[in-house]
Amino acid sequence: EIVLTQSPGTLSLSPGERAALSCWASQTVGSNFLAWYQQKPGQAPRLLMYGASSRATGIPDRFSGSGSGTEFTLTISRLEPEDFAVYYCQQYDSSPPTFGQGTKVEIK
Amino acid sequence: EVQLEKSGGGLVKPGGSLRLSCAISGYNFIAAWMGWVRQAPGKGLEWVGRIKSKADGGAIDYVAPVKGRFTISRDDSKTTLYLQMNSLKIEDTAVYFCTTIGYGDFVADNWGQGALVTVSS
Repeated sequence: EIVLTQSPGTLSLSPGERAALSCWASQTVGSNFLAWYQQKPGQAPRLLMYGASSRATGIPDRFSGSGSGTEFTLTISRLEPEDFAVYYCQQYDSSPPTFGQGTKVEIK
Repeated sequence: EVQLEKSGGGLVKPGGSLRLSCAISGYNFIAAWMGWVRQAPGKGLEWVGRIKSKADGGAIDYVAPVKGRFTISRDDSKTTLYLQMNSLKIEDTAVYFCTTIGYGDFVADNWGQGALVTVSS
């Protein structure tokens, strides 16, 4: 099973700042089969990225993804008030599909 | 617009059973791969399982903690996804989300609002 470790656990930033969230895999994630989700309190998650760097439908271009192998990054270029949430990475290269433990982006 | 309307959920004793339903509209359900993801209170996300479309073979896969106890099924005529949960354990307590799967196997691109299942004596 591929274990995903996200860092930091919490990121305290101000609106307008840039956020960089990391996701580390215990084994190579083949074909960059890595996705990112956003979850706000009391809501279902929302798919942001797939294939490590492709945005899902309707996702604004301030969100970008990068990385390969065992190291992946989600970048939010300029934080908007609605971006403060918990973010999860997930690999879907090998069975079972697994999520990271999440990074909370909070208002500083 | 895709809508996923859940029903079911509630309080059940350990060893009991429960069935969740998820009715989907605004989506080509017959061709869709569908899944269930759960989230224990205050915890992260965990895939429960996935069912492919009948046209793609209808294969169903589960994660180890629920294999042999949970059953995913679909009724294409009702555009509804089901999760039958048997032999429930306290550690199955979670919000259960139904999802459509797109952009790749086990990539959840549309989510329902979630049904709370509480397993407690």
